Amino acid sequence: GDSVTQMEGPVTLSEEAFLTINCTYTATGYPSLFWYVQYPGEGLQLLLKATKADDKGSNKGFEATYRKETTSFHLEKGSVQVSDSAVYFCALRMAGGGNKLTFGTGTQLKVEL
Amino acid sequence: DTGVSQNPRHKITKRGQNVTFRCDPISEHNRLYWYRQTLGQGPEFLTYFQNEAQLEKSRLLSDRFSAERPKGSFSTLEIQRTEQGDSAMYLCASSPLGQGQTYEQYFGPGTRLTVT
Repeated sequence: GDSVTQMEGPVTLSEEAFLTINCTYTATGYPSLFWYVQYPGEGLQLLLKATKADDKGSNKGFEATYRKETTSFHLEKGSVQVSDSAVYFCALRMAGGGNKLTFGTGTQLKVEL
Repeated sequence: DTGVSQNPRHKITKRGQNVTFRCDPISEHNRLYWYRQTLGQGPEFLTYFQNEAQLEKSRLLSDRFSAERPKGSFSTLEIQRTEQGDSAMYLCASSPLGQGQTYEQYFGPGTRLTVT
């Protein structure tokens, strides 16, 4: 079945460091891809998305490019802040099938001063 | 727009008891989803409704689980004869539905269930 694999955490970075969180997927068709973020004590929030190959999603300084050839959707940010500390989930959604999301296991990011 | 709300936020119950959770979606959202998230894992799909119709159920949803959305607005998720393995965060999400398009899911804060 469809699945998402994320790099394991926690990832610990100093403020202003460059961030990459790897995400690869397995799907029988061409999914839409998402990054969700979960801040401590809060619900999941959509961070960015891409719906077709070579699309780049971006929001709040975060970016991810849909790479069909490598089935990847890696999350990047050029300069992280302490406020970016959270758990990040990569997810896919197949067309049809009720729009349900398939999530990876999540990657915890800790940003220190 | 007050967002998706879930009640209670926390529930502690003894094994064998029944529990019921409630989800209030964003008003006028046609679709409502339930997910389960265990510690260190991503959310896993349980079931979804389009208006009052339950259109899909995951194999994760055993016979002890039942979900309803009687008037196409709020939804309840009931777990009968709870087991320790049911301990998890139960997430609700809703989305609008437009013709020929799909929209993003907005998540509630979740209900954390602990079965002792």
